[in-house]
Amino acid sequence: EPEVTQTPSHQVTQMGQEVILRCVPISNHLYFYWYRQILGQKVEFLVSFYNNEISEKSEIFDDQFSVERPDGSNFTLKIRSTKLEDSAMYFCASSGGFPGEQYFGPGTRLTVT
Amino acid sequence: DAKTTQPNSMESNEEEPVHLPCNHSTISGTDYIHWYRQLPSQGPEYVIHGLTSNVNNRMASLAIAEDRKSSTLILHRATLRDAAVYYCILSTGNQFYFGTGTSLTVIP
Repeated sequence: EPEVTQTPSHQVTQMGQEVILRCVPISNHLYFYWYRQILGQKVEFLVSFYNNEISEKSEIFDDQFSVERPDGSNFTLKIRSTKLEDSAMYFCASSGGFPGEQYFGPGTRLTVT
Repeated sequence: DAKTTQPNSMESNEEEPVHLPCNHSTISGTDYIHWYRQLPSQGPEYVIHGLTSNVNNRMASLAIAEDRKSSTLILHRATLRDAAVYYCILSTGNQFYFGTGTSLTVIP
């Protein structure tokens, strides 16, 4: 069964550093998403991406965040200058249709020290 | 500013039906209702979604109130593998608003 993969599984970084979280969505999917989940809290929407551009973004997704689909297979989330409060689990998801079933990856745990 | 409200936790006996409620009184006409579940240390998993009519799939049924201000996820026969946090979600366009989730415990 096809699956969404994410790397790394755990990233530790210092405050102020840039991080890039990587995702490989399911190959024929067209819609891509990033979510975050702070430990013990609910899942929060960050951004959706379709047709090589952002289609929606939340208030959390400020100028420190960016997304890219650099090569037609990877989907990345960049945080330019990490803050302590960026520590969370980051999930990537992809979907073949709208508003169809989203397939989530296993997540990247980001720890900012 | 929660778009959906759910009970924090519920219990069910194994092999009995479970009805998980969700209130979404501020839903707008084009918002979809989605349910996902999350097991510990995993990403969310799709369960079901709908717009106005009730929906059935192999995992569950979704009953949507006529005024769409509430919905109920129905698991027809709970198994131990159904123990998870169940999220009721509204989508506006391609933006998804998760609720705080209901932690379902299944008692053998």
